[in-house]
Amino acid sequence: NAGVTQTPKFQVLKTGQSMTLQCAQDMNHEYMSWYRQDPGMGLRLIHYSVGAGITDQGEVPNGYNVSRSTTEDFPLRLLSAAPSQTSVYFCASRGGVLAGYGTGELFFGEGSRLTVL
Amino acid sequence: AQSVTQLDSQVPVFEEAPVELRCNYSSSVSVYLFWYVQYPNQGLQLLLKYLSGSTLVESINGFEAEFNKSQTSFHLRKPSVHISDTAEYFCAVSSNYKLTFGKGTLLTVNP
Repeated sequence: NAGVTQTPKFQVLKTGQSMTLQCAQDMNHEYMSWYRQDPGMGLRLIHYSVGAGITDQGEVPNGYNVSRSTTEDFPLRLLSAAPSQTSVYFCASRGGVLAGYGTGELFFGEGSRLTVL
Repeated sequence: AQSVTQLDSQVPVFEEAPVELRCNYSSSVSVYLFWYVQYPNQGLQLLLKYLSGSTLVESINGFEAEFNKSQTSFHLRKPSVHISDTAEYFCAVSSNYKLTFGKGTLLTVNP
């Protein structure tokens, strides 16, 4: 059981480049989310999804796109990278209705460290 | 809207000393409360959670947290810390789909 898998673990981009951070989970979780972690800021929610075909914005969605075509995958796209997007990104998932939604444990990937020059 | 305030950004302690990491929250609805721990270069892991029932919840590695509704607090305590407890600790509040984290408290346990 791999849990939540993120790729790549490290990436360096130039300003204006685009890229996709991949996230996959094998726990059949309905809920998936992306957070960014910055020093002194904690974790801030970027986007989340409660099931295939359903996505919504979190606290800091600007500059990021997501889609959810399958239960397993939830990629995060940076369309035109900016230095302000330099951060560590975490994907996390948990069960849906049957797991009581907000009561369930959130399972995290190991993170993707992105640097934008 | 919900929010979480962790009152200390860093807490240095000596090994075998007691520690308390403070967390206050605000929310207009009933919430669930969590503590997550992050070891260096890793993702977050659930430490313990309060959903309902007894206001004192415990983890398997000796941490405990007490839910205090009147003070809107969920402080984390351990009576005797180990070097291996050095990590960043995040308090979080959940309602419906969203989990909101505090800014974290870095616990450093010194020999």
